[in-house]
Amino acid sequence: KQEVTQIPAALSVPEGENLVLNCSFTDSAIYNLQWFRQDPGKGLTSLLLIQSSQREQTSGRLNASLDKSSGRSTLYIAASQPGDSATYLCAVRPETSGSRLTFGEGTQLTVNP
Amino acid sequence: GAVVSQHPSWVICKSGTSVKIECRSLDFQATTMFWYRQFPKQSLMLMATSNEGSKATYEQGVEKDKFLINHASLTLSTLTVTSAHPEDSSFYICSAVPTGGYGYIQYFGAGTRLSVL
Repeated sequence: KQEVTQIPAALSVPEGENLVLNCSFTDSAIYNLQWFRQDPGKGLTSLLLIQSSQREQTSGRLNASLDKSSGRSTLYIAASQPGDSATYLCAVRPETSGSRLTFGEGTQLTVNP
Repeated sequence: GAVVSQHPSWVICKSGTSVKIECRSLDFQATTMFWYRQFPKQSLMLMATSNEGSKATYEQGVEKDKFLINHASLTLSTLTVTSAHPEDSSFYICSAVPTGGYGYIQYFGAGTRLSVL
């Protein structure tokens, strides 16, 4: 059974800092990995999706990497802003089982002005 | 594009009543939709996979008679919480997969907060 773990569970940083969120998964047979953002009481916003054949994806100040063989992914946020405060979730889709996703517990990020 | 609408966003009901939550794909057809449940400060837990025109597939431990899922069209799936109790209070999120879409990417609704008194 796939298990996804995110470290740290919570993170508080001052504005402007660069930071890294970690995601690990136990079964490396994945089709892709996705990072989401969730604001309190809201749904999910997809940030980045990395296919299993890719090593990284970038969007603006966000960069996600994937090391499939070791079961790890990182989300790098450059020059953090208070508006980045949210919970960040990673989710993996297995090579089989269609589009089913397994989510991590999330990292709650607070960026202080 | 790829907008998923979930309604209502928040519902309060009395214990013992039933509540229906709708999930609509607004600009695409979705053969498959998913229903998740999320408790405070926890991650999303998949409850069931909803397939248009067929019975939903429930995850282990999810009572199918309590959480009724109907996916009668390619743009609408509904989740009915029957005889709701306070322990059913939670945040329910749906997602939809565009039919024939590359990568089977899920698009998420904004969620429904259910409070059972």
